[in-house]
Amino acid sequence: DAGVTQSPTHLIKTRGQQVTLRCSPISGHKSVSWYQQVLGQGPQFIFQYYEKEERGRGNFPDRFSARQFPNYSSELNVNALLLGDSALYLCASSLDGSRGYRYTFGSGTRLTVV
Amino acid sequence: GESVGLHLPTLSVQEGDNSIINCAYSNSASDYFIWYKQESGKGPQFIIDIRSNMDKRQGQRVTVLLNKTVKHLSLQIAATQPGDSAVYFCAARNYGQNFVFGPGTRLSVLP
Repeated sequence: DAGVTQSPTHLIKTRGQQVTLRCSPISGHKSVSWYQQVLGQGPQFIFQYYEKEERGRGNFPDRFSARQFPNYSSELNVNALLLGDSALYLCASSLDGSRGYRYTFGSGTRLTVV
Repeated sequence: GESVGLHLPTLSVQEGDNSIINCAYSNSASDYFIWYKQESGKGPQFIIDIRSNMDKRQGQRVTVLLNKTVKHLSLQIAATQPGDSAVYFCAARNYGQNFVFGPGTRLSVLP
């Protein structure tokens, strides 16, 4: 079985640009969550989606947005990139995000903003 | 809200010894906890989980202990091996909410 897949694996963008990150959950998983992990820190929650609806949002500015598609894959968009957005962006999927099932993480997208 | 912290940012142990990594959480409503292992360049990998109605859970070479009275959990790794070298995160969840991660402990296994 394929795990959580994320693309691209690495990305370099310039300040002010926009970026779209993609995630495909494990087959059968309906919930996708996005986390930002700055170097040397633990992952910080950005969004959770379940059945195409936003279930939760972390303390991130409106420059961050996401959506989930009918096949449960998801995209994370970040507009007007800042240097501080440089991080590893992790996607995690679970069967049902509200009932305590474990998250399975992908390997992440390493975003560097220059 | 919830905050999760670890007592030590780094831990060095001799190969073959047991490792204990500690974690504290703030919200007494947290009902589910997970320990993750993260190797360089990879996403967090599930190790073991425990629900708030349990005090102890064992896996293969790993044990998680939960003390709800003092809001503390620990991860014990038996007979630590070089492959155990990684950053370990605890994560706590309030029912219906998302996981809050601690800052991580870097475990180094010495030959």
